[in-house]
Amino acid sequence: DADVTQTPRNRITKTGKRIMLECSQTKGHDRMYWYRQDPGLGLRLIYYSFDVKDINKGEISDGYSVSRQAQAKFSLSLESAIPNQTALYFCATSDLRRGANEQFFGPGTRLTVL
Amino acid sequence: GEDVEQSLFLSVREGDSSVINCTYTDSSSTYLYWYKQEPGAGLQLLTYIFSNMDMKQDQRLTVLLNKKDKHLSLRIADTQTGDSAIYFCAEAGSARQLTFGSGTQLTVLP
Repeated sequence: DADVTQTPRNRITKTGKRIMLECSQTKGHDRMYWYRQDPGLGLRLIYYSFDVKDINKGEISDGYSVSRQAQAKFSLSLESAIPNQTALYFCATSDLRRGANEQFFGPGTRLTVL
Repeated sequence: GEDVEQSLFLSVREGDSSVINCTYTDSSSTYLYWYKQEPGAGLQLLTYIFSNMDMKQDQRLTVLLNKKDKHLSLRIADTQTGDSAIYFCAEAGSARQLTFGSGTQLTVLP
């Protein structure tokens, strides 16, 4: 969905490096999410935020941190990257006012940790 | 915790119907969703169904929900090569978070 953008789209880094993945949205949604996708495992929730002052851990938050700089921006950081964090990372948004809570996804960031 | 399961692969001939199945464990699920992921792209919401419905139709897509058996299916009529993708089932439980299945890779053969 072009309304949710992620940068960078691809990143190769080395073990121990600090990495930040950024997500921006123009949908005006209050909720934002970070997922990682691994082959055969589907998507797993890392962190989510219901508004700027509300940050929550997801299923697999260890080794990650997040920052909600504004309603439209939600960043994911890997303080010290390790090879098993190699994955496809997706940002998503949803609107509290929509009862179905449909989530809209960005195009993803492919991260490789050597 | 919640669990959502799907078979990993499905192959069909072009023009046939595809049926992708999903089972879930959370009896408090309010909405269930189908997403499509094409190669190199993010997830695109195809459709969703509220838990008090048993069927929803949208053009070539039909969603069936059997709440008693916690079984969800997506039927794609007249499957085309452009339907080749990974299809994810997801459910929203009481915490309003989505739990995704592992995805079903649909391959459409000419």
